[in-house]
Amino acid sequence: DAGITQSPRHKVTETGTPVTLRCHQTENHRYMYWYRQDPGHGLRLIHYSYGVKDTDKGEVSDGYSVSRSKTEDFLLTLESATSSQTSVYFCAISDGEETQYFGPGTRLLVL
Amino acid sequence: AQSVTQLDSQVPVFEEAPVELRCNYSSSVSVYLFWYVQYPNQGLQLLLKYLSGSTLVKGINGFEAEFNKSQTSFHLRKPSVHISDTAEYFCAVSMDSSYKLIFGSGTRLLVRP
Repeated sequence: DAGITQSPRHKVTETGTPVTLRCHQTENHRYMYWYRQDPGHGLRLIHYSYGVKDTDKGEVSDGYSVSRSKTEDFLLTLESATSSQTSVYFCAISDGEETQYFGPGTRLLVL
Repeated sequence: AQSVTQLDSQVPVFEEAPVELRCNYSSSVSVYLFWYVQYPNQGLQLLLKYLSGSTLVKGINGFEAEFNKSQTSFHLRKPSVHISDTAEYFCAVSMDSSYKLIFGSGTRLLVRP
């Protein structure tokens, strides 16, 4: 998985609680991305980062925030989780070239 | 808006038979094109990519894809599939300098003995 880890790998939480997912890379790549995967939708971009403290919204950013205080870590936060945010979340990295490399994913269940 | 269409949600095929997974995209600008494979309970692995040059691209595990600009297609093919090719396959395009990917909805390839 190209030096990418995601934590936790599985999480069950309740509606209304905050949740933070972590993506950690050891490749020193500039770009980092968060996607969610849902049946029938493929992967959809939530947020991405093009450098430390530089982030931008993706296609489905509502209800999510991100932070990147250092190159190796990209955090995705659900401020108040909803059942519609039950999904599998993937982090990806890129060195500024066109190819993205994906982490193993985090399976989130919001009850 | 740019989009990627994978018309076949599932493709069943017998082992050693050829297979083609279809991908069409809509874009008015130049694109980069990708196929990723996802095995059960795993992340996505790059299968192959088209950036420029030859329209026939070869990837890992014996897969290849052909870029057809006039038909805005990037279909994936393999002449003889194996049981181990059973997985979900995603087509994706990238269109700007941030290299954000737009994915199709995926095609599940089911190889039967």
